[in-house]
Amino acid sequence: GQQLNQSPQSMFIQEGEDVSMNCTSSSIFNTWLWYKQDPGEGPVLLIALYKAGELTSNGRLTAQFGITRKDSFLNISASIPSDVGIYFCAGQEAGNQFYFGTGTSLTVIP
Amino acid sequence: EPEVTQTPSHQVTQMGQEVILRCVPISNHLYFYWYRQILGQKVEFLVSFYNNEISEKSEIFDDQFSVERPDGSNFTLKIRSTKLEDSAMYFCASSWTRREFFGPGTRLTVL
Repeated sequence: GQQLNQSPQSMFIQEGEDVSMNCTSSSIFNTWLWYKQDPGEGPVLLIALYKAGELTSNGRLTAQFGITRKDSFLNISASIPSDVGIYFCAGQEAGNQFYFGTGTSLTVIP
Repeated sequence: EPEVTQTPSHQVTQMGQEVILRCVPISNHLYFYWYRQILGQKVEFLVSFYNNEISEKSEIFDDQFSVERPDGSNFTLKIRSTKLEDSAMYFCASSWTRREFFGPGTRLTVL
């Protein structure tokens, strides 16, 4: 199936620092979604992107849909301890199926 | 705020047994999905369902899996004869536009 490369795989940062992670694919996507997953829980939708070049914010989170439609990034500014978790990107081609990235594990050190 | 709900939260079964995982999607959503996540791995697509039929399925979704929307609110995933490797978190999701909302998951443990 479709492979989404998400990087970095894990991050250890100090509270207050900014975070950046990205996803790349070999295919063109029509939609990019970013999720956060806490242990033992379902992914929670953070940001949805629908157009190439689109830049969307949700509080301290900002995500962009790459111009080539093959990538997306997520930035978190001024990280806080509750930002800890695993962040997944998900991309959708023309059909219904979403393909998930491998996840970025974020640890915030107070 | 409306949310996707799933039951049970944890299911333990013997290998070879049938299990049914239940989901109640968000009420005005039209697209329904099942995903699974093996411990420590990424979320994997199983199947999407629209207009009372499967619209897409992955290679994982073989003949031992089936989905049903038996009434106006429930969406179920049946695994006919469970295998050890079916142990995973199973997530239901629903969407109205291209935004998928996930349920809390059912942890399936096959012994």
